[in-house]
Amino acid sequence: GQQVMQIPQYQHVQEGEDFTTYCNSSTTLSNIQWYKQRPGGHPVFLIQLVKSGEVKKQKRLTFQFGEAKKNSSLHITATQTTDVGTYFCAGLSFSKAAGNKLTFGGGTRVLVKP
Amino acid sequence: NAGVTQTPKFQVLKTGQSMTLQCAQDMNHNSMYWYRQDPGMGLRLIYYSASEGTTDKGEVPNGYNVSRLNKREFSLRLESAAPSQTSVYFCASSEGQLGSPLHFGNGTRLTVT
Repeated sequence: GQQVMQIPQYQHVQEGEDFTTYCNSSTTLSNIQWYKQRPGGHPVFLIQLVKSGEVKKQKRLTFQFGEAKKNSSLHITATQTTDVGTYFCAGLSFSKAAGNKLTFGGGTRVLVKP
Repeated sequence: NAGVTQTPKFQVLKTGQSMTLQCAQDMNHNSMYWYRQDPGMGLRLIYYSASEGTTDKGEVPNGYNVSRLNKREFSLRLESAAPSQTSVYFCASSEGQLGSPLHFGNGTRLTVT
């Protein structure tokens, strides 16, 4: 079945530095979504990418969808303590057998060192 | 505007006990979902409902039942709790079908001893 892998699983970042987290799917995706979950909180929707090669920015966050629509990345510049949390990607795929299926990656847990 | 409301926030059950997790949304969304979250495994779909009166199995439906009571409410029932069902449960809703952005509730932390 479809698998969505996120790397790294953990990311320790010095405040002010940049980092990137990656999301890779075993199958071609219809779209990909990104969510952020603060410690002890619930996932909050950040963005959805639909088109091959699409790039979207939200302030210091840059999201990219791969040309083959099988991978995505989230790049954060000038990391702040407010960026602490776990970032999940979720890929939507379609098959005739199962219909639409949204599969979450395992998440990248981000810790920021002040 | 409360969004998605889940009750209870915490629950401890003994093996074999039953309970129902309640979920309500006030965003007039068509679709509702139940996910479980376990460490390192992301979120896994238990059941979802694309509209009032319809429910479908997700990735891990065994041991659970659901009821879409009306457009606002979607409950999850554990008939005979097992330690493997210890998890954090999230209810979510979306305006469109599966694949639309999800709005999550605050979660229920369930421990089965």
